[in-house]
Amino acid sequence: DSGVTQTPKHLITATGQRVTLRCSPRSGDLSVYWYQQSLDQGLQFLIQYYNGEERAKGNILERFSAQQFPDLHSELNLSSLELGDSALYFCASSVAAGRNEKLFFGSGTQLSVL
Amino acid sequence: ILNVEQSPQSLHVQEGDSTNFTCSFPSSNFYALHWYRWETAKSPEALFVMTLNGDEKKKGRISATLNTKEGYSYLYIKGSQPEDSATYLCAVASGTYKYIFGTGTRLKVLA
Repeated sequence: DSGVTQTPKHLITATGQRVTLRCSPRSGDLSVYWYQQSLDQGLQFLIQYYNGEERAKGNILERFSAQQFPDLHSELNLSSLELGDSALYFCASSVAAGRNEKLFFGSGTQLSVL
Repeated sequence: ILNVEQSPQSLHVQEGDSTNFTCSFPSSNFYALHWYRWETAKSPEALFVMTLNGDEKKKGRISATLNTKEGYSYLYIKGSQPEDSATYLCAVASGTYKYIFGTGTRLKVLA
């Protein structure tokens, strides 16, 4: 158990809908990362937060947004969902924001858009 | 955009064999390289973090080396066991990029 909690584990929804994925980092970790794992793709970096502030942005679609709250949990909002958004979404956390920090991954949220 | 490549894509070895895989990355603006192990139905777990050219790390039967000048890292597994079966991911942090992952090497160790 990495100590990173993601909910829900599975989510099935329809095209055009909006969903929210939640992540609670390990106790004491200030940095949260979101990744998307699609079929035959590597882990695609979406966005990083550090202590409530956006730190880095990857290939995150405009339909997607995220935030980190004062208690350090993070939410990833996906709207106007398309079939191609079906993927495994991982959250990871690290103590700080340095690039030599080990990432601790949650178990992921499997999103299926029908 | 930073491109991290891993080879081979997949690998089957016999129990007891030693094996190695490669992670290649652009050598400019390199900051750190991570190796993760990802077992089926679990989440990726960190193995090593390396930052300096010539770094070598070891954890049990698994070791890794880093060459930042030529842009590659090797992961070695000595005496592979069935429980080593997993996908091995490398991730590179370079310049402003944060932990760009390769697509992984899927290892299957046959008993």
